Amino acid sequence: DAGVIQSPRHEVTEMGQEVTLRCKPISGHDYLFWYRQTMMRGLELLIYFNNNVPIDDSGMPEDRFSAKMPNASFSTLKIQPSEPRDSAVYFCASSEGYSPLHFGNGTRLTVT
Amino acid sequence: AQSVAQPEDQVNVAEGNPLTVKCTYSVSGNPYLFWYVQYPNRGLQFLLKYITGDNLVKGSYGFEAEFNKSQTSFHLKKPSALVSDSALYFCAVRVFSGGYNKLIFGAGTRLAVHP
Repeated sequence: DAGVIQSPRHEVTEMGQEVTLRCKPISGHDYLFWYRQTMMRGLELLIYFNNNVPIDDSGMPEDRFSAKMPNASFSTLKIQPSEPRDSAVYFCASSEGYSPLHFGNGTRLTVT
Repeated sequence: AQSVAQPEDQVNVAEGNPLTVKCTYSVSGNPYLFWYVQYPNRGLQFLLKYITGDNLVKGSYGFEAEFNKSQTSFHLKKPSALVSDSALYFCAVRVFSGGYNKLIFGAGTRLAVHP
């Protein structure tokens, strides 16, 4: 298995632009998580899905952030409009049931 | 509130010496505890977990962790550190509450192993 695949690996954009991060979970996994990692705040859970349904989005910082999972093999995290404080590494992870999470290599987002 | 604490920002150890990275937790009910490692520019990798059973759990790369219910701790250990063990280590607890099932991480501890 190729593992959790995230794209792009790096994204540099200007403030106000729309940013879309993509994730392909491991086949057969029924949970998908989006995390954000910064030096100041560490790893924060933004949202997670179970069987493509969003279960807990209480970590989404504000309405500028949205996430979708249209099918079992694809999820997106969108920021519109982006701001410099959104600069971080965004990780997607998936798991089967209560098994350990498998993480992608992340997307490093820089908003100038 | 359910949480995980890693009291040390950084741990320094000489190669060949034993290492310990500390973790304490606060959860209601029985804890599902995990350790993950992160190398530069990579995602987190699973090391080991405690769900139930023996309090001493063995994981990848020679790491082990000891679950202590009375002290609510789950410290990561290795008998003999390698320079290649230098990385960022995260303790995490899986929380099941109100229909939720999510993984909450500690702040991380940077392990530096010196030759």
